[in-house]
Amino acid sequence: EGQVVESGGGLIQPGGSLRLSCAASGFTFSSFSMNWVRQAPGKGLEWVSYITGGGDIKFYADSVQGRFTISRDNAEKSLYLQMNSLRAEDTAVYYCARDHIFTFDMWGQGTMVTVSS
Amino acid sequence: QTVVTQEPSFSVAPGGTVTLTCGLSSGSVSPTHYPSWYQQTPGQPPRTLIYNTNIRSSGVPDRFSGSILGNKAALTVTGAQADDESDYYCVLYVAGGPWGFGGGTKLTVL
Repeated sequence: EGQVVESGGGLIQPGGSLRLSCAASGFTFSSFSMNWVRQAPGKGLEWVSYITGGGDIKFYADSVQGRFTISRDNAEKSLYLQMNSLRAEDTAVYYCARDHIFTFDMWGQGTMVTVSS
Repeated sequence: QTVVTQEPSFSVAPGGTVTLTCGLSSGSVSPTHYPSWYQQTPGQPPRTLIYNTNIRSSGVPDRFSGSILGNKAALTVTGAQADDESDYYCVLYVAGGPWGFGGGTKLTVL
């Protein structure tokens, strides 16, 4: 069945940068599109970014467009989210989610990002 | 920008039936939006319940069902149990997205 495991979260000052990683195992990573979804404390889920299996097509939510960059390394079976110019409102748990038949069929446990001075 | 709408909260008696809905701020939900539903309890990642409108994910009890009702997607819980008390999110495949998340419905079983 496989799994995805996020890492890289932490406490960062406003305006700073952070890179999240998602390690995949147990499935053919390159065959699946992937997403980042976040959840601010006490709030609902928010889709952040999407990337196709080959990495050639990417989409971003308006709230992160121009600040966040999604990428992947299929040889390393890893997904990344480079987050720049971080703001307090980016504080959230960030989930890596596999995309399959128009659904998110596999979720990681998430990694917490806190943007605060 | 299209907004995905859900009831903020709902309550159901144990053993009862409840239908949660998922709509669009403009237009109707159809199977081409590939509605999916997720269950989340505090401190846990979401769990996939339903995808492609009405297909149950592996291991999901058949008391959960999905459909299109009128102009909305719907999640029906039949014979609600105490551990169904959770937050439920719908997701739609939308233009410019590709994914639109609803704000979630907090379901209380009491």
